[in-house]
Amino acid sequence: TQLLEQSPQFLSIQEGENLTVYCNSSSVFSSLQWYRQEPGEGPVLLVTVVTGGEVKKLKRLTFQFGDARKDSSLHITAAQTGDTGLYLCAGAIKGDSWGKLQFGAGTQVVVTP
Amino acid sequence: DSGVTQTPKHLITATGQRVTLRCSPRSGDLSVYWYQQSLDQGLQFLIQYYNGEERAKGNILERFSAQQFPDLHSELNLSSLELGDSALYFCASSLGTSGRTDTQYFGPGTRLTVL
Repeated sequence: TQLLEQSPQFLSIQEGENLTVYCNSSSVFSSLQWYRQEPGEGPVLLVTVVTGGEVKKLKRLTFQFGDARKDSSLHITAAQTGDTGLYLCAGAIKGDSWGKLQFGAGTQVVVTP
Repeated sequence: DSGVTQTPKHLITATGQRVTLRCSPRSGDLSVYWYQQSLDQGLQFLIQYYNGEERAKGNILERFSAQQFPDLHSELNLSSLELGDSALYFCASSLGTSGRTDTQYFGPGTRLTVL
């Protein structure tokens, strides 16, 4: 069982549509990160959120950390084909070593022209 | 390019064998992390080293061991290999500063296939 549950597992949308990916847990995290992974490559960090209720924007991507620091969401506005990839959330459990990241299983996003 | 290098890129071996995966961190990074990514388990944290010392341990099997050398490169040793050890093994590195925003940069991974 994953400590971080991501939903949906798979998402296929057309260019220009919006999408939201969710990351939920029953544990409290001291920080939460979102990564994107392309086939055959390592995950690349998109954002780190550390404060409950925090919202961060990165161009068309909006990241939110839940007030209780147990959940997060990633919203993409007007998706482009370049947004295709595996999106992973990862967090350091409160009280655990800050380097010990727990990863969700990932959401595979496919954006078609 | 993250600046983290891993060798080899691909490794094919037989059950019962032993292999060594190598990782060179980004210049200036003191911490190295090892992860295993398989289809059924996702990305799993194995172990972290900081400046040569073990700092955190995850679900690393007893058949697996790692170390970080004085020049900060790291090696992950996998022995008595089983079919289920087939996976992508990633190394990541970070500055190692004590902070929630210490960013981990991932290497391209080593794909291990055990036949």
